[in-house]
Amino acid sequence: RKEVEQDPGPFNVPEGATVAFNCTYSNSASQSFFWYRQDCRKEPKLLMSVYSSGNEDGRFTAQLNRASQYISLLIRDSKLSDSATYLCVVMNAGNMLTFGGGTRLMVKP
Amino acid sequence: NAGVMQNPRHLVRRRGQEARLRCSPMKGHSHVYWYRQLPEEGLKFMVYLQKENIIDESGMPKERFSAEFPKEGPSILRIQQVVRGDSAAYFCASSPTGGAREKLFFGSGTQLSVL
Repeated sequence: RKEVEQDPGPFNVPEGATVAFNCTYSNSASQSFFWYRQDCRKEPKLLMSVYSSGNEDGRFTAQLNRASQYISLLIRDSKLSDSATYLCVVMNAGNMLTFGGGTRLMVKP
Repeated sequence: NAGVMQNPRHLVRRRGQEARLRCSPMKGHSHVYWYRQLPEEGLKFMVYLQKENIIDESGMPKERFSAEFPKEGPSILRIQQVVRGDSAAYFCASSPTGGAREKLFFGSGTQLSVL
C-alpha cells in the first residue's frame, strides 16, 4: 500500500464547477499535511497547509480527518487557470515530505 | 531574495557518463532535500542534507548515486554511469532549520535525459 494515495484522475470539469479531491495516508504518526500544485512538470508550489479544523483560502478549502487518515481539497468556481496536478503531501518525523502521485484537473471552457 | 536555484535546467547524458546536478538553497536555508520525479509519477524523496552532513539518505539508490552539501557552495547530486532509467526530473528543496511543520521551497528542477 502506498503511503499517500490519490485518485490520479483526470478530473474534467467545466468552468465554474465545484470539484473535490481526496487523499488517504497510511502513517498515523504523520505530523503535517499540505496540498501542493504542480504545472506541466514544473516545480511543486505550496497551495495550502491542511489543519484538523479545516482551512479556507479564497475558492479553496482543505480538510483533515485524522481518525480516518483522510485529507480533502475543495475548489469552488473552477477557473481555467486551476488546471494542474494537485499533490497531497504528508510530513512525517524527520521533516520528510511524502508526496501522493497527484490528481490531474482539467478545467474546460 | 532569490529562490532555490538549480542548474542546469536540462542535462543530456549518454549511458555510462556522469551527471552532476547543483542546487543552491534560498539565502539563510541550511537544509536541502532532493526529490526525483519519474515520468507520469509523483515525487519520491531521495536524500536530506544539512551543511556537511547527510541526515537521511533512505531514498537514495545504493549504487551510483551520491549527494553532498559542503560548507561552501551548492549541494551536488551526483549520478555515476547513468542509465536510461535515470531519466527524470530532479527537484531540490530547502528550508531554514528543518523543524517540524516547516514549509519547503522548491527549485525549478533539473530534467535529466539519458540517451
